[in-house]
Amino acid sequence: DVKVTQSSRYLVKRTGEKVFLECVQDMDHENMFWYRQDPGLGLRLIYFSYDVKMKEKGDIPEGYSVSREKKERFSLILESASTNQTSMYLCASSSRLAGGYEQYFGPGTRLTVT
Amino acid sequence: AQKITQTQPGMFVQEKEAVTLDCTYDTSDQSYGLFWYKQPSSGEMIFLIYQGSYDEQNATEGRYSLNFQKARKSANLVISASQLGDSAMYFCAMSRGSNYKLTFGKGTLLTVNP
Repeated sequence: DVKVTQSSRYLVKRTGEKVFLECVQDMDHENMFWYRQDPGLGLRLIYFSYDVKMKEKGDIPEGYSVSREKKERFSLILESASTNQTSMYLCASSSRLAGGYEQYFGPGTRLTVT
Repeated sequence: AQKITQTQPGMFVQEKEAVTLDCTYDTSDQSYGLFWYKQPSSGEMIFLIYQGSYDEQNATEGRYSLNFQKARKSANLVISASQLGDSAMYFCAMSRGSNYKLTFGKGTLLTVNP
């Protein structure tokens, strides 16, 4: 089974802190994604990566950065957390070799910034 | 630009009955994929079913089927014989040709009543 894990299920941080959200997948997938999910807005893509050290901005990259130094690990960084970044963060991965481009998701990290 | 519309914020269904969750999409691409995901209250996104734009037959996976009407640009999810465990948020999503990014709708909250 594909497994995507995220470092924390719940996280509470203060405004201005630097926050790292970690995601690890064990299926050798090339593509990895970070989304945020807010009520009434669905999932919105923050960043994605299609290879090690490669990244592209999604729909809402402002205030975030990412890092992918190893194929299995994709990190989301909030350089200076703000209250409007309180949200559920979901990581996903997919294989370019699979015809359907199905994404496999982690359990999510609910981040609260106070 | 791609767009996914789910017009039903919430749906109710009696246990053992069938239910249809609506999804319409907007794209000018000829090649695309359509997905449905389930998100229980635990938060994890679970892949349910996939339909390719060139697939002539509607996709089925157990109790799930995707009613694909290409001319109407609709991809409705049909759940037969609803179970209490089907209560969850359901998201429709679309991929674009060989692009592995997904665009998600805002979701429909399904409640199955005993």
